[in-house]
Amino acid sequence: AQRVTQPEKLLSVFKGAPVELKCNYSYSGSPELFWYVQYSRQRLQLLLRHISRESIKGFTADLNKGETSFHLKKPFAQEEDSAMYYCAVGGYNKLIFGAGTRLAVHP
Amino acid sequence: EAEVAQSPRYKITEKSQAVAFWCDPISGHATLYWYRQILGQGPELLVQFQDESVVDDSQLPKDRFSAERLKGVDSTLKIQPAELGDSAMYLCASSFSGASTDTQYFGPGTRLTVL
Repeated sequence: AQRVTQPEKLLSVFKGAPVELKCNYSYSGSPELFWYVQYSRQRLQLLLRHISRESIKGFTADLNKGETSFHLKKPFAQEEDSAMYYCAVGGYNKLIFGAGTRLAVHP
Repeated sequence: EAEVAQSPRYKITEKSQAVAFWCDPISGHATLYWYRQILGQGPELLVQFQDESVVDDSQLPKDRFSAERLKGVDSTLKIQPAELGDSAMYLCASSFSGASTDTQYFGPGTRLTVL
């Protein structure tokens, strides 16, 4: 079955600490991987995608096909990073989302 | 900057009543999606349109839910009759072509409460 698992509902860190939001997926074939973010009172928006291999707002994500993981990382968290983060797997022209992880960055 | 529009933003209804949600995608986007997001979960695709045609409605409860995109632009999602379990956020999104690599742009959502 196609599935995206984000094991942590809440990740709480202090400003300047490293952050890693975990994402594991189960998918047959070669999916596209995404991270979407929802800041407070804003709409869901794309943060980054694997195919672009880009760093957005200091975040990066590495695809590990052997472990079927696509963890999101940032070396030094900022308070403005506090948001809800969703990992998503794309294939057959549709997205499957994980349940999300709330990142809280404290001063 | 162009955005996906949705209305209403909030809807409270009683069970067994009919409700309808409207979505206007970004101009030029061929693909339109309706998602349902239950509290504590990620968005789940209900229906996907390519222009005016449905390409995926496998998760749409067709006994009570219907969706249309008659002219391939804006779309309406209807629930009749509403049930308590339909309380959720209903999100609309659009993308340029519907390819797996496309960015999906989301609207603000309609929060439905069924009493």
